[in-house]
Amino acid sequence: QVQLQESGPGLVKPSESLSLTCTVSGYSISSGYYWGWIRQPPGKGLQWIGSISHNGSPYYNPSLKSRVTISVDTSKNQLSLRLSSVTAADTAVYYCARGGSNTVAVANNWGQGTMVSVSS
Amino acid sequence: QSVLTQPPSVSAAPGQKVTISCSGGSSNIGNNYVSWYQQLPGTAPKLLIYDNNKRPSGIPDRFSGSKSGTSVTLGITGLQTGDEAAYYCGTWDSSLSAVVFGGGTKLTVL
Repeated sequence: QVQLQESGPGLVKPSESLSLTCTVSGYSISSGYYWGWIRQPPGKGLQWIGSISHNGSPYYNPSLKSRVTISVDTSKNQLSLRLSSVTAADTAVYYCARGGSNTVAVANNWGQGTMVSVSS
Repeated sequence: QSVLTQPPSVSAAPGQKVTISCSGGSSNIGNNYVSWYQQLPGTAPKLLIYDNNKRPSGIPDRFSGSKSGTSVTLGITGLQTGDEAAYYCGTWDSSLSAVVFGGGTKLTVL
């Protein structure tokens, strides 16, 4: 069964970039499905950041598009997120997820999440 | 302010049934499939319902989904204390070109 594991710094300074990696096991990213990132600020709801197809076509939340880059490394079976110019509002638990086979609008499988705090 | 509207909280006794509503508009629920997620305290969300009313393998039939117009409903029967969680609806919004979620509903099993 597919498993996802997020990794990256737990603390990022304001105005710097946040970079996270999601390592996928039990399924080859290149075989299909959409893969994405979703975040959850402390005590709040879910926000979709963006998704990418198995062949590398990205889809971003318009509210974050200018700051977000999502990519896949099929050789490592990893998904990556880069969010630039972060502020305290970007403090959240970040989840990677496997989407649908033909849609970004469902998250079938989730990683455990990684907490990222933005603070000087 | 979430695009999809859910009640902040619902409660019911063990063994009873509860429903959680999620309302939107024609650009989201009205013309796209909806999913439901369960988030137990301190854990990642888990997919409960997809395509409005389908259950992934391993999800008990105590959980059901339905859709009418621009609203969807999650139903949970035979409530258990282990069902205490936050529940989120989500779908694609064609106007925003984004996946959108409801604000979440906290279920308390009294």
